[in-house]
Amino acid sequence: DAGITQSPRYKITETGRQVTLMCHQTWSHSYMFWYRQDLGHGLRLIYYSAAADITDKGEVPDGYVVSRSKTENFPLTLESATRSQTSVYFCASSESSSGVAYEQYFGPGTRLTVT
Amino acid sequence: LAKTTQPISMDSYEGQEVNITCSHNNIATNDYITWYQQFPSQGPRFIIQGYKTKVTNEVASLFIPADRKSSTLSLPRVSLSDTAVYYCLVGSLRDDKIIFGKGTRLHILP
Repeated sequence: DAGITQSPRYKITETGRQVTLMCHQTWSHSYMFWYRQDLGHGLRLIYYSAAADITDKGEVPDGYVVSRSKTENFPLTLESATRSQTSVYFCASSESSSGVAYEQYFGPGTRLTVT
Repeated sequence: LAKTTQPISMDSYEGQEVNITCSHNNIATNDYITWYQQFPSQGPRFIIQGYKTKVTNEVASLFIPADRKSSTLSLPRVSLSDTAVYYCLVGSLRDDKIIFGKGTRLHILP
């Protein structure tokens, strides 16, 4: 199906483990983004990518790693998960050269719990 | 990026028009104003975007005064399904990233 998908939708992991969240979009959008949303808060940008092999930090990048070898995929890796990384993670994509003036399309989110 | 200020929460009743105002005193010349809607357990969804004066689409209207230091999202004849969090964002074509604040939690009552 066309659109933007995230997997897994739910994940429970232990402190110190590495975990990767996947994001896939079928529109060939140039821009992709990762946000986290903590209970009762807005979204905070973790990393974004302007194109394949081009990534940049957002507001809260510490403890996360991203890669983008293909335009359609933008995985987010927590190298050593901590309880403070328990959150809902949203991936988004945008067709424009700027994520601001054009709408971002969001995935359904991944609810991550670190125990 | 211009910082935005919007009410934390609002209540309204079905059938009413709802206006949510966002302040952005430091908006820059190239900045656009964008509003998103987020339902529980879902990602945000684009509602409307504008630069100046008034923009209207099938969902909402956006009013921007001449000084552009604030903007108002207007939702006509709301229903229970409009209960959501609404985010006001400000940024420019030169920015690669946008910042979501905490948004306004709108609760529609029957």
